[in-house]
Amino acid sequence: EVQLVESGGGLVQPGGSLRLSCAASGFTFSSYWMHWVRQAPGKGLVWVSRINSDGSSTSYADSVKGRFTISRDNAKNTLYLQMNSLRAEDTAVYYCARDLVCDYWGQGTLVTVSS
Amino acid sequence: QSVLTQPPSVSEAPRQRVTISCSGSSSNIGNNAVNWYQQLPGKAPKLLIYYDDLLPSGVSDRFSGSKSGTSASLAISGLQSEDEADYYCAAWDDSLNGQVFGGGTKLTVL
Repeated sequence: EVQLVESGGGLVQPGGSLRLSCAASGFTFSSYWMHWVRQAPGKGLVWVSRINSDGSSTSYADSVKGRFTISRDNAKNTLYLQMNSLRAEDTAVYYCARDLVCDYWGQGTLVTVSS
Repeated sequence: QSVLTQPPSVSEAPRQRVTISCSGSSSNIGNNAVNWYQQLPGKAPKLLIYYDDLLPSGVSDRFSGSKSGTSASLAISGLQSEDEADYYCAAWDDSLNGQVFGGGTKLTVL
């Protein structure tokens, strides 16, 4: 069974940093592209970033470019999102999703940026 | 404002058919595949349609997708109360070099 479990969310002050993790199981993690998608409270889905299967290629939404870094450790079956210079508008539930079509999603982890 | 445009809400009676539109441009829908997601209240999104019109395993054939030019549609037939959810379209955008989502459509089954 495919499982994606996010962790690392929490309350952080503006300007602070946080690293999210997404632990994958039930499939060959190293064979799949992976995404991060976020959803602000009461709002729609917004794509954040994606990474190819071996980590050599990444893409970012303009709103996070230069502040967020996506990475992966295929030996640990884990996807990461390093978030720096956090802003109030980054407050959201962050989901990881598998493959180019986002065929499986985790349950999400809530990031709250507030003083 | 989302790059892909969806109606904020649609409603229809049980057992009827409803369609949800998704309008884009040549840099996204016009040149790339469209995927559709269902998000039940309080839950993570679920893939409903991929590559414009393909159903993932386990998804009811009451759901169908289509695309023409720079627009796509999701159709749901035989509406049931459990179909009440938010529905999102998505596609890769070549100009933005990123994935774009529609703003979402809330389906109410009357």
